[in-house]
Amino acid sequence: GAGVSQSPRYKVAKRGQDVALRCDPISGHVSLFWYQQALGQGPEFLTYFQNEAQLDKSGLPSDRFFAERPEGSVSTLKIQRTQQEDSAVYLCASSLRLAGAVDEQYFGPGTRLTVT
Amino acid sequence: GENVEQHPSTLSVQEGDSAVIKCTYSDSASNYFPWYKQELGKRPQLIIDIRSNVGEKKDQRIAVTLNKTAKHFSLHITETQPEDSAVYFCAASKVTGFQKLVFGTGTRLLVSP
Repeated sequence: GAGVSQSPRYKVAKRGQDVALRCDPISGHVSLFWYQQALGQGPEFLTYFQNEAQLDKSGLPSDRFFAERPEGSVSTLKIQRTQQEDSAVYLCASSLRLAGAVDEQYFGPGTRLTVT
Repeated sequence: GENVEQHPSTLSVQEGDSAVIKCTYSDSASNYFPWYKQELGKRPQLIIDIRSNVGEKKDQRIAVTLNKTAKHFSLHITETQPEDSAVYFCAASKVTGFQKLVFGTGTRLLVSP
């Protein structure tokens, strides 16, 4: 079946521009995560959704970052007034969220954001 | 919060040798430890995981060991092949709650023919 998809795969933005990154999770997956992966580093947690509810946004670096999942499926990560330090790969992951079970997270291919 | 350290950052082996990657974690409440393989430009993919109620798990050439007392866990790859070349990440989380993963910094494994 289809895995997690993300678009665009690559995005170049001029400093100060706003960007929107899209994630299509696996159908039926309740949980959705966004991670930021800087060059040569491991992914770092940004935010988590359970269906349409954003239950944790403690990893968002600043108030320029905003995420939504209005209908509990597709999610969008928006970055306003992009800065060079925002350059990274943004990964989306989804999981089924079976109660009391280990929940494998399936990752998308990521969006590579370059801010010039 | 949880902190995961991973060593070595780079590992070069000859085809057929074994490779070992080690991670330590700080939060004793963490009880789920997955390992991801990420090829260049590709998505991270789960290769093996372990829960804290077991000390070792094997899947063909891959094994993971966990020492809860010392708070460290390791990935073992035997009979390495060139297609094992990739970056490997360890991670830690709690099974309860929403299982936010905290990743190590990655190990670049290079297997030479």
